[in-house]
Amino acid sequence: NAGVTQTPKFRVLKTGQSMTLLCAQDMNHEYMYWYRQDPGMGLRLIHYSVGEGTTAKGEVPDGYNVSRLKKQNFLLGLESAAPSQTSVYFCASSRDRRSTDTQYFGPGTRLTVL
Amino acid sequence: AQTVTQSQPEMSVQEAETVTLSCTYDTSESNYYLFWYKQPPSRQMILVIRQEAYKQQNATENRFSVNFQKAAKSFSLKISDSQLGDTAMYFCAFADGQNFVFGPGTRLSVLP
Repeated sequence: NAGVTQTPKFRVLKTGQSMTLLCAQDMNHEYMYWYRQDPGMGLRLIHYSVGEGTTAKGEVPDGYNVSRLKKQNFLLGLESAAPSQTSVYFCASSRDRRSTDTQYFGPGTRLTVL
Repeated sequence: AQTVTQSQPEMSVQEAETVTLSCTYDTSESNYYLFWYKQPPSRQMILVIRQEAYKQQNATENRFSVNFQKAAKSFSLKISDSQLGDTAMYFCAFADGQNFVFGPGTRLSVLP
């Protein structure tokens, strides 16, 4: 099992450009999440999904969109990148409801917006 | 709103010694879960230990153990026989029926 994988590992964007981050898990987990990690702030939830075809907003959803067309994949999109979106992005998945089950994390994507 | 506080931004410990990382949280819920995650320089987030609030017995995983004080809303992590590979950021996290909240982290350095 690869667990949770993220593509790409690093990316540099110019302000206004768009991109999509891909998360894939091979554990047949129902729940998937996107977090961003900023210095001194821990992890903050952007969006999450409770199953194929579903998405929901987290703590900091503005400027991001997500899709869960397949159970194993969860995509995070930035339509018009801003410097404030410079961060490290983590994807995670869990078997059961997000509030009680252990989450398994991907290796992260470091995004810089110039 | 639930909050998680880690009052020690940075700590260091000598190899083979014991260190305790502090975590406090605020909630009005009675049923919830607490976690410690480790993030080494590789950035991967790794679950260290998990505690269910309704269990009075403190969770233990090899060299890692917790001191869960429900009344005080405290959830500290003790690392025994510290190893160089324990050098990492450690995040305390809280989860109830609605929220999953991470603390700001404690950077632990294990010194040779």
